[in-house]
Amino acid sequence: NAGVTQTPKFQVLKTGQSMTLQCAQDMNHNSMYWYRQDPGMGLRLIYYSASEGTTDKGEVPNGYNVSRLNKREFSLRLESAAPSQTSVYFCASTPRELVVSAGELFFGEGSRLTVL
Amino acid sequence: GESVGLHLPTLSVQEGDNSIINCAYSNSASDYFIWYKQESGKGPQFIIDIRSNMDKRQGQRVTVLLNKTVKHLSLQIAATQPGDSAVYFCAETHNSGYSTLTFGKGTMLLVSP
Repeated sequence: NAGVTQTPKFQVLKTGQSMTLQCAQDMNHNSMYWYRQDPGMGLRLIYYSASEGTTDKGEVPNGYNVSRLNKREFSLRLESAAPSQTSVYFCASTPRELVVSAGELFFGEGSRLTVL
Repeated sequence: GESVGLHLPTLSVQEGDNSIINCAYSNSASDYFIWYKQESGKGPQFIIDIRSNMDKRQGQRVTVLLNKTVKHLSLQIAATQPGDSAVYFCAETHNSGYSTLTFGKGTMLLVSP
């Protein structure tokens, strides 16, 4: 059981290039999330998908787009990368919508992105 | 605690000591709290959670205390081991329909053998 799988694990981009981070979960979870983590900071929510077919902005959505391709997969796209998007990106999922009773997030191992 | 610039607050303890990691939250509407552990190069992992109708909850070697009056949360780790070395985050959410977690900035725990 792989849990949450992210690809790629490492990526270096030049300013203005585009790329897509892929995330897949095999736990039949309904909700999926993309976070970014910067040095000395907590995780900040970029976008989330409460269920298949829906996506919503989080705290820091500017410069990103997402696609909930199916129940398993949730991708994050940078259309024109900027140095400010250098970060570690984490995908996460929960069994159901994240309300008080839902409990924990299951995280992937992270994707380290550097934009030069 | 709060981070200063890029530096995480750090707690250094000896193996076998008890550790206490603190977290302050600001949203008085928050009523569900979770502690996560993040080891170097990995994603965060769930440790323990607590709802606002409780003051204390215990797990295996860990205890979470919640003081709603001063909006403070703590994680106590008993008999700390080198494998406990990691960054610890608190996260909060509130019961208003669909809601998402807000994470604190984290505290690094360093355990010396």
